[in-house]
Amino acid sequence: RKEVEQDPGPFNVPEGATVAFNCTYSNSASQSFFWYRQDCRKEPKLLMSVYSSGNEDGRFTAQLNRASQYISLLIRDSKLSDSATYLCVAYDFNSGNTGKLIFGQGTTLQVKP
Amino acid sequence: SQTIHQWPATLVQPVGSPLSLECTVEGTSNPNLYWYRQAAGRGLQLLFYSVGIGQISSEVPQNLSASRPQDRQFILSSKKLLLSDSGFYLCAWSVSSGRRNNEQFFGPGTRLTVL
Repeated sequence: RKEVEQDPGPFNVPEGATVAFNCTYSNSASQSFFWYRQDCRKEPKLLMSVYSSGNEDGRFTAQLNRASQYISLLIRDSKLSDSATYLCVAYDFNSGNTGKLIFGQGTTLQVKP
Repeated sequence: SQTIHQWPATLVQPVGSPLSLECTVEGTSNPNLYWYRQAAGRGLQLLFYSVGIGQISSEVPQNLSASRPQDRQFILSSKKLLLSDSGFYLCAWSVSSGRRNNEQFFGPGTRLTVL
């Protein structure tokens, strides 16, 4: 079983739609989680950090459910520019101070006009 | 503010040739540094990480090596490239403590094609 698992998609949604991605993690000791966005042929960029139960930034909301070991990302009022791959990431709790992260394979979102 | 640079942006190399990719970070001291590879259509694979000058940890066996000659410089090398070394190479940095906020910040990457 992969340590961080995501549905690869693609998720095809019309502009203005609300879309949600789920991500599950296997290490119950993981404390920190992140969502990164990666555009085609570009580097990943940090979208949101999730330390407690959730985080909200404009149209984006991340929620953490520790009991079920999953993290979700909700995007409201989708824009064409939201089309990208979204990476779910967990901090490797066993890595000490090395700061190693565990990346999911990513979920691809295509927003259509 | 912190910035991270990588060069070259793209590289086409023949099989068996050497490789040297460079990454430098500005605006921070004693960062943790990381090299990742992303094959086409695949996820990120951690290759090496470093918590200080001269300290390198390898995550997977391969024909690549890494060095950290200065605090904010991280170099990825190979003596002889293989076809399977093709991919998108990403350098990243993070704050060097065990704090919760372990975000990593990525450079623009080097796209390597081995022919």
